[in-house]
Amino acid sequence: HVQLQESGPGLVKPSETLSLTCTVSGGSISSYYWSWIRQPPGKGLEWIGYILYSGSTNYNPSLQSRVTISADTSKNQVSLKLRSVTAADTAVYYCARYGGHSEGAFDVWGQGTVVTVAS
Amino acid sequence: DIQMTQSPSSLSASVGDRVTITCQASQDISDYLNWYQQKPGKAPKLLIYDASNLEAGVTSRFSGSGSGTDFIFTISSLQPEDIATYFCQQYDNLPLTFGGGTKVEIK
Repeated sequence: HVQLQESGPGLVKPSETLSLTCTVSGGSISSYYWSWIRQPPGKGLEWIGYILYSGSTNYNPSLQSRVTISADTSKNQVSLKLRSVTAADTAVYYCARYGGHSEGAFDVWGQGTVVTVAS
Repeated sequence: DIQMTQSPSSLSASVGDRVTITCQASQDISDYLNWYQQKPGKAPKLLIYDASNLEAGVTSRFSGSGSGTDFIFTISSLQPEDIATYFCQQYDNLPLTFGGGTKVEIK
């Protein structure tokens, strides 16, 4: 079955770029959409954006100016870059499969990775 | 953006109780509504998709209903393992948005 694993630095300095990778195992990323979602401490879920394996992307307008999501089919990985981070970007970041067997649902999730923005 | 309003934000119920959570969309989203369960320190888990369809492997204690702007998630008989926060999510329009969550505790 499909499994997702997020990886990347747990601490990022303000104004720098947050970079995370989601490695997909048990299936190919050359199907479905692959999404990033974040959850600030003690708060709700915020959709960041998604990518189709072909490279087509869609981002949350609230983050669009700072976000890039990319896919590497040779490595079966999806990546997130968030530029010019502030403390407000401190959160658990999840990658998730979108539109698997249900058109509009996130049906497979990674365990999440904690990112803290601090100097 | 479509705003998703969940209520209550938290509730406390006894084992065996019927528990109901509501989710209201700021505009008509047909049945483009999903429900998730999140236990502390864990990723969310899909429970219900398209408002009323039970995800494979999920207990039949959980059910969902509704369409348009008003949706209901029900736990028919609360069990200790159901302690979690529950979120709704719409996919009628981008950006995809979630409700604020309902924390369910045992009384």
